[in-house]
This record gives sequence, C-alpha cells and structure tokens, in this order.
Amino acid sequence: AQSVAQPEDQVNVAEGNPLTVKCTYSVSGNPYLFWYVQYPNRGLQFLLKYITGDNLVKGSYGFEAEFNKSQTSFHLKKPSALVSDSALYFCAVRDNTNAGKSTFGDGTTLTVKP
Amino acid sequence: KAGVTQTPRYLIKTRGQQVTLSCSPISGHRSVSWYQQTPGQGLQFLFEYFSETQRNKGNFPGRFSGRQFSNSRSEMNVSTLELGDSALYLCASSSGTGDGYTFGSGTRLTVV
Repeated sequence: AQSVAQPEDQVNVAEGNPLTVKCTYSVSGNPYLFWYVQYPNRGLQFLLKYITGDNLVKGSYGFEAEFNKSQTSFHLKKPSALVSDSALYFCAVRDNTNAGKSTFGDGTTLTVKP
Repeated sequence: KAGVTQTPRYLIKTRGQQVTLSCSPISGHRSVSWYQQTPGQGLQFLFEYFSETQRNKGNFPGRFSGRQFSNSRSEMNVSTLELGDSALYLCASSSGTGDGYTFGSGTRLTVV
C-alpha cells in the first residue's frame, strides 16, 4: 500500500519570505514523487517530480523539492514567495511497481500575504 | 498541443440515474486515470487504463466503471447515482509511469 501525509492543512507566509510545504510518504518499492498545484477555479497542474538522481529537483514557477529517503519526505520549497503562489498544493506518490496509480495527500492551502 | 479534454463540464442528475463522463487524453498518452475530488475526501483514485486495459482500480463500489478505446479516449460510468456521488471527477493522462499527470478541468457532477 502507498500513502501520503501532508501534515499542515494551511501554511501562511509573507511575500518575499521562503516557504515550505511538507510531505511524507510510504511505499513498498521505490517512490516516484510529485507535486501539483490547484489554483482557485482552475485544474490541477504538475509542478515537479522526483524519479531518481539528485535529491533536489527543480520545477515550474521557481519551486523546488528535496527528496529525503531516510525521512521519507519530499518537502516543497521556494526561496521567495509571491502572492500569486497562493493556491492548494498536493503531494503525490507512485510506487514504481504499481504502474498507473498515484496516491495524493489531502492538500495544503498556501496563503502568501503582501 | 491540445490538453486533456473532459466533457461535459457540468452535470445535474437525479438519484438512481446513471451518467457517463468522457475524457480525451493528450495525443500520444496511453495512460488515463480517473479521480474523484471532494472537499472532505480529497483526491480519491478510481481507476487507470493503459492501452484499453484496466491496470489499477481504487476502492469504489461496482457502480463505478470505466473503459478505454483504441484511440486512448476514456469514459467512466456511474450507475444508480447516490447523493454522495456529487463531486468533481478529474481525468488525467500521462505518457508513462515516471511521467507526471496532465489533468483535465474536470466534470462537476451534482446528484439531487
């Protein structure tokens, strides 16, 4: 079985400050990890993924995420938050032996205040 | 390149009726997955099709079914609708296991 936990329902940061959205996962095999963003009244968009290789992966809109195997975490980060980053963020995991099924976390609402 | 297209965008149905939702994936993507999104339950996996075969199925009752055609277009069907089936149904396509999803805009189903 695979699972994802996003421990924070809500994250609030001031514009210009760094942001972190947390994610931990559990899978049987090697994990494929993803972050998606959902802006109000818009669909889910892919941000970035970790498959293998460097533990720090870079994605769209200046976001990056760090894979930590020992802590089974894949936290989303951005050095300087923008008001336009305010959205709902989902972490997802896919077991590399369980093709086609991604399990999503419950989502974290990020609010960036001016 | 065209994105993932879901039709219809909105549906209102009565309890007991059935409904069919359609999804056209990105050209060349052979994997199509379906998710149910509700405020209380988040994103729940329904099923995934690859080359017309169902590879994975989530924990939904048999009233939920799907299929995929040779052109990779997919449909999902919900029979004997219940009030609790009201949700946003999202279709996502991908080119492979290591690929991220591209989501459609969803079909908003309301059961009254």
